Amino acid sequence: KNEVEQSPQNLTAQEGEFITINCSYSVGISALHWLQQHPGGGIVSLFMLSSGKKKHGRLIATINIQEKHSSLHITASHPRDSAVYICAVRLALGAQKLVFGQGTRLTINP
Amino acid sequence: DTEVTQTPKHLVMGMTNKKSLKCEQHMGHRAMYWYKQKAKKPPELMFVYSYEKLSINESVPSRFSPECPNSSLLNLHLHALQPEDSALYLCASSRSGEAFFGQGTRLTVV
Repeated sequence: KNEVEQSPQNLTAQEGEFITINCSYSVGISALHWLQQHPGGGIVSLFMLSSGKKKHGRLIATINIQEKHSSLHITASHPRDSAVYICAVRLALGAQKLVFGQGTRLTINP
Repeated sequence: DTEVTQTPKHLVMGMTNKKSLKCEQHMGHRAMYWYKQKAKKPPELMFVYSYEKLSINESVPSRFSPECPNSSLLNLHLHALQPEDSALYLCASSRSGEAFFGQGTRLTVV
């Protein structure tokens, strides 16, 4: 079993829909990252969370430390949001390392 | 400047060639990373440099040789690679846990 599990693996939606991507982890962490990767491209850091909730534009990320669960929400989704979204955790011990989830491939159709 | 710059963007090399990948950041980050990413997989950590010293080597074959000449620059020297080493090589830097990734070098070994 992976230390970081994401769901769903693939998600296709229509433009304007509200999107939720989930991440569960089984290890002690100091922080959780949500990352975005467009096809063939580098990785952009969207959020770093250690508690609570953060919002940036149409993106919202939440984390529940007790339940070891995080969600990434996209409101009013747009085709340009199509990308792979990756959850990664920074371990509480060995804080230099990120442990990555398998990623969620999101496709937003016009 | 909040960028991590990687060069070249694309590289094709033969199995007998020697080449180098370069990564540069001017954000004053003292932790720098090399990751390898195969298609449709999450990044895999290869090396971590902390204050210009190698702190983590994830049992990477010796045909990959990292170098950190100064606090802004990270190199990955490649020699006698195999076709299965073809991948996207990502560089990252971090400070206070926040991670910044480069656009990657897409390497093809022929």
